[in-house]
Amino acid sequence: DSGVTQTPKHLITATGQRVTLRCSPRSGDLSVYWYQQSLDQGLQFLIQYYNGEERAKGNILERFSAQQFPDLHSELNLSSLELGDSALYFCASSGTEGGFYGYTFGSGTRLTVV
Amino acid sequence: SQQGEEDPQALSIQEGENATMNCSYKTSINNLQWYRQNSGRGLVHLILIRSNEREKHSGRLRVTLDTSKKSSSLLITASRAADTASYFCATGIISSYKLIFGSGTRLLVRP
Repeated sequence: DSGVTQTPKHLITATGQRVTLRCSPRSGDLSVYWYQQSLDQGLQFLIQYYNGEERAKGNILERFSAQQFPDLHSELNLSSLELGDSALYFCASSGTEGGFYGYTFGSGTRLTVV
Repeated sequence: SQQGEEDPQALSIQEGENATMNCSYKTSINNLQWYRQNSGRGLVHLILIRSNEREKHSGRLRVTLDTSKKSSSLLITASRAADTASYFCATGIISSYKLIFGSGTRLLVRP
């Protein structure tokens, strides 16, 4: 157990639907990062939050949004889902704003869009 | 586009042999990190090397960094079947809060 909790572990949904992925960072970590990993692909950075504020944005689609709550958990919302959104979605946390000592990853949410 | 590119994309070796993976990147970095991912699971942080360091060791892992060539290598000595996984380099970009991951090297260690 890495200390980063992601729920749900698996999600199957239909095209056009909306889903919410949840992440609880490791205790004491203020930064949360979201990554998308498609089949046989590397990790694509989506977005980062630090202590409730957005800090960096990557290749995140307009159909996707995220937020970090006062208790530091984060949610990634994916809407108008398409088949191509099927992927593993990882959340990571770090104690520093820039992850300068490394990230701790959750076990991921596997999203399948049918 | 990916900041880091690993080479080779796949590597198959016999247990006991050494495995070397390379990573090249494009922009200036604060640090470079290596992660391991077992099939379909979360990534595990292995080692971090700062931009002012040239070599670092951790157990059977040895990482080198050449900032003039914008490249790094990860050496796993005396490999074990349990080392079978994908290995990713990740670069901490100067003036950015994010880590950019490469496309990974799939390592297979045959018993």
